[in-house]
Amino acid sequence: GAGVSQSPRYKVAKRGQDVALRCDPISGHVSLFWYQQALGQGPEFLTYFQNEAQLDKSGLPSDRFFAERPEGSVSTLKIQRTQQEDSAVYLCASSSPGQGTKQYFGPGTRLTVT
Amino acid sequence: QQQVKQSPQSLIVQKGGISIINCAYENTAFDYFPWYQQFPGKGPALLIAIRPDVSEKKEGRFTISFNKSAKQFSLHIMDSQPGDSATYFCAAKPHYNAGNNRKLIWGLGTSLAVNP
Repeated sequence: GAGVSQSPRYKVAKRGQDVALRCDPISGHVSLFWYQQALGQGPEFLTYFQNEAQLDKSGLPSDRFFAERPEGSVSTLKIQRTQQEDSAVYLCASSSPGQGTKQYFGPGTRLTVT
Repeated sequence: QQQVKQSPQSLIVQKGGISIINCAYENTAFDYFPWYQQFPGKGPALLIAIRPDVSEKKEGRFTISFNKSAKQFSLHIMDSQPGDSATYFCAAKPHYNAGNNRKLIWGLGTSLAVNP
């Protein structure tokens, strides 16, 4: 079946613009994660949803970052007033209760803020 | 503060050789240790994982060795192939607590190049 998909794959934004990044998890997966991966670094946790409930947003770096998953499937990560330090790859992952902690990752969205 | 420390940062191995990547952790509340493989332009993919109640797990050419007392775990890739050239990340998951029981803490990654 289809894996986790993310769109757009690449996004260039001028500093100060708002961006919205979309994640389509694997059908039936109740858990959804967002990670930020800077160049040459490991992924850093941003936030976690279980169905539509955002259970952990401790990794969101500032109040400019906002994530939602209103119907418990597709999720959107929104970054307001983008800054250059927001440039990174944003990864989405999903997992299902039956597979415990195994997380399936999408290809990521590479955000470049100029 | 890096809770999972990974080494080396980069590794070059000849085809057929053994690739060894090491990780050390500080938090004894971790209960799940996966290794992920990431190719350029792709998301990480789970390679193999271990829980702290076993000392070794093998899947094909990939083996995790786990030393609970030393708080270290390592990935061994036997008979390394050029197709194994990728970035490898170790990670650790904290024991269950409300809300963030599935959050992974990642190492910084090891870039592996296998020469033909």
